[in-house]
Amino acid sequence: GAVVSQHPSWVICKSGTSVKIECRSLDFQATTMFWYRQFPKQSLMLMATSNEGSKATYEQGVEKDKFLINHASLTLSTLTVTSAHPEDSSFYICSAQPGLNTDTQYFGPGTRLTVL
Amino acid sequence: AQTVTQSQPEMSVQEAETVTLSCTYDTSESDYYLFWYKQPPSRQMILVIRQEAYKQQNATENRFSVNFQKAAKSFSLKISDSQLGDAAMYFCAYRTPMEYGNKLVFGAGTILRVKS
Repeated sequence: GAVVSQHPSWVICKSGTSVKIECRSLDFQATTMFWYRQFPKQSLMLMATSNEGSKATYEQGVEKDKFLINHASLTLSTLTVTSAHPEDSSFYICSAQPGLNTDTQYFGPGTRLTVL
Repeated sequence: AQTVTQSQPEMSVQEAETVTLSCTYDTSESDYYLFWYKQPPSRQMILVIRQEAYKQQNATENRFSVNFQKAAKSFSLKISDSQLGDAAMYFCAYRTPMEYGNKLVFGAGTILRVKS
């Protein structure tokens, strides 16, 4: 149980285009989802917290208009990288938490974004 | 702000031997969760073990155990009978209390190499 999927697993796009990444909890409902960014050989950095039906909470330094997050249902959150540039190339990982009082986040397999 | 420090960028262990990965953290909270996650080359984050701060007993999961020293704010991971499949990046993580968003704060990670 507690499986989280991400789609796509990798994407290559041209500079200036937008890319949407989906994060789904397959066998549980996730009241909260988190989006992380990971550069090669580095740690995970939290970008934003997404709660179903409400606006995402972004970490300091993360551009809200660049990284649009939507959490429309209890099983789906999306991250849209708008007007992507080469510096946005990274590995994006989502995680899902079954409830406010649960202690564990379950991670998706990640999405590798390459912007040319 | 909470911080997590992993002072060992890289560790090596011989197959079947034991290795300990270090982690220290800083917090003013008294009740929190600590985690060790494994990230193999596939980049999928895998939960290894978790510890509730109010529990004095060290958590154990098969070959994995922790040495939790709350006063010293230390949370080391011991891997016994190391296997080739244990080779991965290991991240120590602290979870902020619910009133601060249940966020995970990760350490920089330790690359574990297992020699056959």
